Amino acid sequence: SQKIEQNSEALNIQEGKTATLTCNYTNYSPAYLQWYRQDPGRGPVFLLLIRENEKEKRKERLKVTFDTTLKQSLFHITASQPADSATYLCAPGGYSTLTFGKGTMLLVSP
Amino acid sequence: DADVTQTPRNRITKTGKRIMLECSQTKGHDRMYWYRQDPGLGLQLIYYSFDVKDINKGEISDGYSVSRQAQAKFSLSLESAIPNQTALYFCATSDSDRLYGYTFGSGTRLTVV
Repeated sequence: SQKIEQNSEALNIQEGKTATLTCNYTNYSPAYLQWYRQDPGRGPVFLLLIRENEKEKRKERLKVTFDTTLKQSLFHITASQPADSATYLCAPGGYSTLTFGKGTMLLVSP
Repeated sequence: DADVTQTPRNRITKTGKRIMLECSQTKGHDRMYWYRQDPGLGLQLIYYSFDVKDINKGEISDGYSVSRQAQAKFSLSLESAIPNQTALYFCATSDSDRLYGYTFGSGTRLTVV
């Protein structure tokens, strides 16, 4: 069955550093992969989409990579700020619906 | 106004009661979804609809039903609520080309006692 793995342990980093979150998937050949941010008690907010034929995508301080051979996506936040503290979800997409990973919590301390 | 509006925001109901959660969107998208989120379990797809005449079961549809009243409206019903349906419920919408991500509502926190 399809499986999406994100680190269940929170990632703690200091302000100004680069945060790197990992998403691994198995039994899957997604055509694209999306990343979302979720704050406690609120709906996820879409951040970035990367397609299978793209190696890297950037948006402001965010960068996503997509390695279909390794079946892995990396999500980077450069120059992290306390306001970046949230849970980040990856969602590999096929041709119908998205399946979401359980997310990794990022805590950025001042 | 929010792009995706869910009502109610919070609801406490008794076991065995029928309850409806409503969702409306102003994005003009054809596709709508209902997800459930439990602590530690992530988002699970309950039902989805790709247009007004299309309804599909997701991975956890048992105990739930839906109605797509219009392109902009998609409601979720619990026919006979049970305590393990206590969760945070999200409605979402997306475009058919999947060029952009899903737009989620703010959620309905449902407690079944």
